[in-house]
Amino acid sequence: NAGVTQTPKFQVLKTGQSMTLQCAQDMNHEYMSWYRQDPGMGLRLIHYSVGAGITDQGEVPNGYNVSRSTTEDFPLRLLSAAPSQTSVYFCASSYVAGGSYNEQFFGPGTRLTVL
Amino acid sequence: QQQVKQSPQSLIVQKGGISIINCAYENTAFDYFPWYQQFPGKGPALLIAIRPDVSEKKEGRFTISFNKSAKQFSLHIMDSQPGDSATYFCAASILTGGGNKLTFGTGTQLKVEL
Repeated sequence: NAGVTQTPKFQVLKTGQSMTLQCAQDMNHEYMSWYRQDPGMGLRLIHYSVGAGITDQGEVPNGYNVSRSTTEDFPLRLLSAAPSQTSVYFCASSYVAGGSYNEQFFGPGTRLTVL
Repeated sequence: QQQVKQSPQSLIVQKGGISIINCAYENTAFDYFPWYQQFPGKGPALLIAIRPDVSEKKEGRFTISFNKSAKQFSLHIMDSQPGDSATYFCAASILTGGGNKLTFGTGTQLKVEL
């Protein structure tokens, strides 16, 4: 199993450009999520999904869109990049089971710089 | 508003020493507390976790101590090794159905020196 994969690994954008960060998992996990990691702020949840066709907002959703058309893929879209979106982005996935925590597996991250 | 507060921001420990990282939370609905370890250039990985119905959990050299009344929990790394040098995040979650959303602390950068 490849686990959680993310592409690209690095990306530089200019303000106003758009792009999609890709995330895929091959563990048949229902739950997928996106976090951003900034110095001194830990990881903050952007969006998450509990299954194909179901998405919801996390703590910092503004400026980001997501969709979940398949179980395997959960892309994150930046429609008009801003310097404040310079960050390291992590995708994570896990099973869903009510009443018990399911370990989240994180991808290797995408380092995004917006100039 | 930081729902999970973590300290210290950085920590330097001598090889063989004990590393201690502390976290405090505000939301009493949290009922699962994992710790994640992150090496440079990698994603976080689950290290150890605890539920609030126990006061301590130990896995090898890693121990979580939990104080429900004080709303605090801590990670102790015994016999710290240079390979433990990493960033550590505490986190909290609410175990509702499908409740895997994590609220993270701000992280502690640990360096273990020879």
